[in-house]
Amino acid sequence: NAGVTQTPKFQVLKTGQSMTLQCAQDMNHEYMSWYRQDPGMGLRLIHYSVGAGITDQGEVPNGYNVSRSTTEDFPLRLLSAAPSQTSVYFCASTWSGELFFGEGSRLTVL
Amino acid sequence: AQSVTQLDSHVSVSEGTPVLLRCNYSSSYSPSLFWYVQHPNKGLQLLLKYTSAATLVKGINGFEAEFKKSETSFHLTKPSAHMSDAAEYFCVVSDQPSGTYKYIFGTGTRLKVLA
Repeated sequence: NAGVTQTPKFQVLKTGQSMTLQCAQDMNHEYMSWYRQDPGMGLRLIHYSVGAGITDQGEVPNGYNVSRSTTEDFPLRLLSAAPSQTSVYFCASTWSGELFFGEGSRLTVL
Repeated sequence: AQSVTQLDSHVSVSEGTPVLLRCNYSSSYSPSLFWYVQHPNKGLQLLLKYTSAATLVKGINGFEAEFKKSETSFHLTKPSAHMSDAAEYFCVVSDQPSGTYKYIFGTGTRLKVLA
């Protein structure tokens, strides 16, 4: 049982480049979310989805897009990367109030 | 509005001694409270959760936490620390008034276990 799978694990971008962080889950959970983790700040919610075709903004959505075409997949797109987006990104699915996390994607923007 | 405060950013204990990681919360509704653990370069794993049942909650690896409404606290304890407990711990509060899961994370407590 793979759970929540994120790719890539590491990525280096130049300012202005775009990229997509992939997230897939095999637990048939309706609710999925993306967080960023920065030192001393805990995890902050970027976007979330309550099911296929439905997404909404979290606490820090600027500079990011999401879509949810299937229950399994919830990609996060960086439209024009900025150094402030250097962070560790976590995808999570939720079932019965519990968050199930991927192992994270470490992004560096130069 | 929800908020959560972890009172210590770093805690050091000797192996075999008790662990106490402190968390205070603020919530407009009846909250759900969680503790998650993150080992280096890993995702977060649920240690335990409180969802308005018993106020003393037992989790994995010998950890437990007590929900104290009068003190708005949800401190995490373990009687005897093990080297493998060295990690970062996050206290999380969730209100679900509309059925939508919204989680607020504390800033984390890094636990160091000394041999």
